[in-house]
Amino acid sequence: NAGVMQNPRHLVRRRGQEARLRCSPMKGHSHVYWYRQLPEEGLKFMVYLQKENIIDESGMPKERFSAEFPKEGPSILRIQQVVRGDSAAYFCASSPRSAVGEQFFGPGTRLTVL
Amino acid sequence: ELKVEQNPLFLSMQEGKNYTIYCNYSTTSDRLYWYRQDPGKSLESLFVLLSNGAVKQEGRLMASLDTKARLSTLHITAAVHDLSATYFCAVDMVDTGNQFYFGTGTSLTVIP
Repeated sequence: NAGVMQNPRHLVRRRGQEARLRCSPMKGHSHVYWYRQLPEEGLKFMVYLQKENIIDESGMPKERFSAEFPKEGPSILRIQQVVRGDSAAYFCASSPRSAVGEQFFGPGTRLTVL
Repeated sequence: ELKVEQNPLFLSMQEGKNYTIYCNYSTTSDRLYWYRQDPGKSLESLFVLLSNGAVKQEGRLMASLDTKARLSTLHITAAVHDLSATYFCAVDMVDTGNQFYFGTGTSLTVIP
């Protein structure tokens, strides 16, 4: 029973390039959350998605960031025209339902912007 | 916005000693979670506390929740080196879309 899967685990991009991060939730989970963790800090919520729907994107920067969770395939967090400040660990979590219950976290993608 | 604070931020303790990590949050919530994170790794779920007065124990760790005081504690008994990690508490609120609000983390180092 595989847990939450994320790829790539490490991603290096130059300023101005695009970063695409993928997340496959646990089997049977239809709710996906993305969080960002800057060095020496806690996780900050970015976006909450269900299949084909963005439920809450209040934590997403207004520009350059987007997320999707298509009917088929993984959830994708896309960062366009990356800047050095985007360097962080990006974690995906999934849960079987939206109300009451823990979220299960993937291994994270560590993005480094040169 | 819900704020979650942990203290201490850094904790260095000797093996065999006891200590408590505190997690305060600013708005009413009945659900609190504790996670452990090793360097460069993901978050491992430790405890899920879903009601006032909830107490859970696993090995040398015990967590409790007081929703009236908006306080959770993670108590470490007779610490061992393997407990060295960063510990996060997180709170969620259904009204805000089920996102988790994480504390600042407590970096624990257990010294032999």
